[in-house]
Amino acid sequence: GEDVEQSLFLSVREGDSSVINCTYTDSSSTYLYWYKQEPGAGLQLLTYIFSNMDMKQDQRLTVLLNKKDKHLSLRIADTQTGDSAIYFCAERKSASKIIFGSGTRLSIRP
Amino acid sequence: DAMVIQNPRYQVTQFGKPVTLSCSQTLNHNVMYWYQQKSSQAPKLLFHYYDKDFNNEADTPDNFQSRRPNTSFCFLDIRSPGLGDAAMYLCATSRRGRSRSPTDTQYFGPGTRLTVL
Repeated sequence: GEDVEQSLFLSVREGDSSVINCTYTDSSSTYLYWYKQEPGAGLQLLTYIFSNMDMKQDQRLTVLLNKKDKHLSLRIADTQTGDSAIYFCAERKSASKIIFGSGTRLSIRP
Repeated sequence: DAMVIQNPRYQVTQFGKPVTLSCSQTLNHNVMYWYQQKSSQAPKLLFHYYDKDFNNEADTPDNFQSRRPNTSFCFLDIRSPGLGDAAMYLCATSRRGRSRSPTDTQYFGPGTRLTVL
């Protein structure tokens, strides 16, 4: 099928690292994305990784890709209250089609 | 700032009463998309325009139509909204080049939340 799967909820303490996991199905996907959706807003592209990469780091964000297991993760270092949002993993199926997961709601504890 | 704009942000309609949602973009992107997102679910692609070419997803109900009169604007028409059509509707744009590239990445508007009474 076309499922991209994520856990629905994650709660972390402010200042800790958050790790959001995702599994996808299509080993031929060329790009994998992480989007962030804040309440009442559209989806904001956070980062992407090309399928021939294992890791990508961008400031507080680290993306890890295990292509063999079709597993993608997003690590947010030093999680802040402003990181509270829903995070969507997505895989690119074609030039015009992205399949999204159901999103992981990240909440931050003081 | 270049952006994707959706109007209105909130729309209330009655069961069976046609409704149109609007999207405009200043990014000069050649592809525009409409997604439906229900609560706690993934955005679901309804259709997209590549320039003037309309591409419908196989499972998009006939009740949903779209128009793209020019590069900047795209409309979503729901001919006879049912209660099950209440959702957030997201417009997105991308620039499709000749080769695969992350610049085909989609940029989203803030969405229109549709309520059907």
